[in-house]
Order: sequence, then C-alpha cells, then structure tokens
Amino acid sequence: GAVVSQHPSRVICKSGTSVKIECRSLDFQATTMFWYRQFPKQSLMLMATSNEGSKATYEQGVEKDKFLINHASLTLSTLTVTSAHPEDSSFYICSARILAKNIQYFGAGTRLSVL
Amino acid sequence: ELKVEQNPLFLSMQEGKNYTIYCNYSTTSDRLYWYRQDPGKSLESLFVLLSNGAVKQEGRLMASLDTKARLSTLHITAAVHDLSATYFCVTTQGGSEKLVFGKGTKLTVNP
Repeated sequence: GAVVSQHPSRVICKSGTSVKIECRSLDFQATTMFWYRQFPKQSLMLMATSNEGSKATYEQGVEKDKFLINHASLTLSTLTVTSAHPEDSSFYICSARILAKNIQYFGAGTRLSVL
Repeated sequence: ELKVEQNPLFLSMQEGKNYTIYCNYSTTSDRLYWYRQDPGKSLESLFVLLSNGAVKQEGRLMASLDTKARLSTLHITAAVHDLSATYFCVTTQGGSEKLVFGKGTKLTVNP
C-alpha cells in the first residue's frame, strides 16, 4: 500500500520554542494532505487541510499563526508549531489521499511533549 | 454538522467469541471507512464502503453499510488477541475530502 512518512516520531521541547513536523508521501503525489491532532484516549480532530502551492485551510478554532502549514511540493507538507506551550502537547498525525482509491493514508504520527 | 457515533466505546471480549461494533452517522455521506489504531501508533485502513449494501470481509473482520439507516457495522468473528486495538468509524460530509471520526471503540480480546 501507499506510504506516508512522518518525521520526527517524537519530540520533546522547551516552552517557547518552535517545532517542525514533516509529512511525506513516498510513492505517490498528494495535492492535498491533512493534519490531525489526537489527545490521549480521544479521537482525531482535523486541524487543517494542506493544499500544494496554496494556503492551508484551517478548521474553526485552530490558530493559523500558531500552527503554520506549508505544502511546497506534491510530496511534502510541514506543520510548524510556533512558540509551543505545554497545552500544545499532543499526538499529531498527517494523512494524504490517493484520489483514485478514495482512501487516506496516515503517517505514523508525532508525539509532541512541551515542557 | 456531521456526527459519527460508535457503540460500544469499550469492548472486552473472550477469544473465540463474536461481536459487532455499530456506527451511526447523522447526515448523508458517500463513503464510510473503518480504521484500526494500535496504542501509540498511527491508523491503518481496514475497509472502504462506498455503496448501500456494501459488505467487505478481511480475515475475522467484516464490515457492512446501510446508507438508508446511516449505519455501518464491524463484525468480529472468533476473536483473537491480535485484534486488540481501537477501531474508528470514519466518514466524509457529502463530496468533501474531510474525514469525520467517531470516538473509537477500544477492543480488548482476552485469552
């Protein structure tokens, strides 16, 4: 099946620093990728839709300036958590969709811990 | 607003037993997914159901879709420990690529 690579898998950072998470589609091109956030023992919540070559579309309540998304190529989207605070600690997951298969493939996730 | 409700949210069962997880969604949708998530891991696609009456089977899992009732089921046959995971019912809102997730059903299969 299709592979979506997400890096890093885990990051621990100090409060106030910025963290960049990469999401790559390894064997297919993805014009659209998605970023989700998952709190412990809860479901996934869509944060934003990342569109190649254009601005991301953010869900209601998600701060654009806090969670910067860049989708510069057909295989790479990045999420930067700016000035991270402990409440940003969470599991972040990206996905990419293969149009022909109607399936979204998910990255392995990034566990962010802000101290 | 599209809502997805799964039932039960927690399920503990014995190996060898059968059980069904139910998923109701609130508005018309053109596709229904089931995903599996192991602790600390990402999501694995299990089934994609695209039409009314669709039934798909993979090993001990079988998924079905009734679009008129807005109901999907995930049936587990003769459960084994390896099936222990959280299962998410996911759908999309008419024509949109956005996925809407149920809360997930945490399945524990006991020896």
